[in-house]
Order: sequence, then C-alpha cells, then structure tokens
Amino acid sequence: SYELTQPPSVSVSPGQIASITCSGDKLGDKYASWYQQKPGQSPVLVIYQDNKRPSGIPERFSGSNSGDTATLTISGTQAMDEADYYCQAWDSSTLRVVFGGGTKLTVL
Amino acid sequence: QVQLQESGPGLVEPSETVSLTCTVSGDSVSSSIYYWGWIRQPPGRGLEWIGSMSYSGHTYYNPSLKSRVIISADTSNNQFSLKLTSETAADTALYYCARLVIRGEFLRYFDYWGQGTLVTVSS
Repeated sequence: SYELTQPPSVSVSPGQIASITCSGDKLGDKYASWYQQKPGQSPVLVIYQDNKRPSGIPERFSGSNSGDTATLTISGTQAMDEADYYCQAWDSSTLRVVFGGGTKLTVL
Repeated sequence: QVQLQESGPGLVEPSETVSLTCTVSGDSVSSSIYYWGWIRQPPGRGLEWIGSMSYSGHTYYNPSLKSRVIISADTSNNQFSLKLTSETAADTALYYCARLVIRGEFLRYFDYWGQGTLVTVSS
C-alpha cells in the first residue's frame, strides 16, 4: 500500500525558514496537500495541488513536489506557526486518500 | 460559508457498532462537485482516512477498515453518516467529517473540516 513518510519533528528559530518534507514513491507524479493542526483544533488546509494556497493562508506558506519528495516551506516562521503538519495525497491506483504521519514544528 | 458538525454517542462498548452523523450547512451533500469523508485521529496520534462518499452514493474505504465501515447519505437532512462495527479500544479516536474536493483523476484534498467528535470504546 502507498505510504507517505514525514520527519516526526522539525525545529526552527523565529524569522527563519522551516522546511517539512514528505516522501513517497513517485510522489511527484501525484498531487500533495498540506494541513496544519494546532492543539485542540481541527486540521486546516494550507497547501493544495502541490503549491496553491487557499484563501486566507499567509503568503509565507509555500509548497513544492518533485521526484519522491514534497516540501512545505514556511518563510519568516512565526510563533503562531508552531503546530503539527500533515501531508496528504490521493493514490489513484488503489483509490485511497493517504496521510503522512505528521511533523511537529517547534518554533524555538 | 461551509460548515460541518459531527455528532455521536461519545462512549461505545466493545464489540458494538458506533454511528456518527455529519450535518452540513452552506453546501449540499448531493453536490456533484464534492465528495464527503470521514477521518479519525487516535489520541496523540496522526490522521487516518476512513472513507469517502460521492454525491451518487459511490463509496471508497480504507482497506484496513473496509470490512467494518459503511458511509451513507441522508439527502433530506443534508447529512452523511458513518457506521463502524465491531468496535475495539483501538477505535478510540476523534472522528472528523470533511468535504473532499475532486479535480480530475489525481487531485483530492479536504478543504472544510468539522470540529470532531470523540468516540471512546470502553466497558
């Protein structure tokens, strides 16, 4: 079955660039989406179709997807960006939605 | 503004069936543009997709849960529901309903989520 792998944790200093990766076999041939989840809250879509931002999501959030890796990049990271982040893709061969295991972003 | 609200029993005894309902406002579960789905999150753990349903009633389920899951719609009340049978402690989780965007063959993502309802399996 198709799997997406994320690092359990990433740390970044305020104002710096945070990069969170998501790896899967030929993930670049699929579309990646990213969700932000803060403690006690529902997930919020921050990137869809690899690099598109929904309305209301700050421009500091961006995404890319190539080869086996999709990357969520947060430029000028702020304390409010501290959260869990999940990648997600659609496996069209098995008709399954697949989530990565999640990455806890800590802003030190 | 699309809103989704889950409702359910909260506490379920082992081996029983849990039924959850998602009430949708601001859109129709009969919409041909979107699918509707359920995702769960065990305490302190990640997201797990349970299944999704199209406006025509076509369903897609996570293979690991497929034998125990039924997702269906009540169009008259603009709701869709989840039934999960043979509950065990491993099914204890926060259950979310969400709207699934469908674009072409390869693009699927959840754009609106409910607040989640906690299901605890315990005697």
